[in-house]
Amino acid sequence: SQKIEQNSEALNIQEGKTATLTCNYTNYSPAYLQWYRQDPGRGPVFLLLIRENEKEKRKERLKVTFDTTLKQSLFHITASQPADSATYLCARPPGQAGTALIFGKGTTLSVSS
Amino acid sequence: EAGVVQSPRYKIIEKKQPVAFWCNPISGHNTLYWYRQNLGQGPELLIRYENEEAVDDSQLPKDRFSAERLKGVDSTLKIQPAELGDSAVYLCASSTGGMYGYTFGSGTRLTVV
Repeated sequence: SQKIEQNSEALNIQEGKTATLTCNYTNYSPAYLQWYRQDPGRGPVFLLLIRENEKEKRKERLKVTFDTTLKQSLFHITASQPADSATYLCARPPGQAGTALIFGKGTTLSVSS
Repeated sequence: EAGVVQSPRYKIIEKKQPVAFWCNPISGHNTLYWYRQNLGQGPELLIRYENEEAVDDSQLPKDRFSAERLKGVDSTLKIQPAELGDSAVYLCASSTGGMYGYTFGSGTRLTVV
């Protein structure tokens, strides 16, 4: 089955530093990956999509990379702020047997001032 | 735009009782999803609709769960009877399909006691 793994459950960093979150996938390379932000008591919010043929995608202080050799996507938040504290979820499209996004467990980021 | 609206936000019921959740997706989004999210886990698909047709209900525990999407707009998810293990957050999402990001509602937190 297609899996997606976010190995770090929690990441604590200081304000102003760059946060780097990791997402690994198994089996075939997905056509794209998506990243979501989830705040406590809320549903996930879509942030970015990166396609298989894109090495990097940026949006304001966010940067996502896609490495098909390592089967990995990295999600960076530069100049992090306490307001960036949340859980970040990685998601991949389903394999042939599925019809909806498959989500990782998420990494909870805490940015301290 | 109101976004995806879910109700109720919280529900506490005794085991063996029935419960229902309601979702109003974004106008024009033909695809609707119900996901379940356990504490510390990513969302897991229960059922996907294309308009009023359930195109993927393979992960829906059909002995106790049922869902409908009348007229291809609002949807309800029902559990009867509820079990202790059903305690989770039930998320509704909608999308225009393809690789576009999903828009999630805030979810219904169900506690079965």
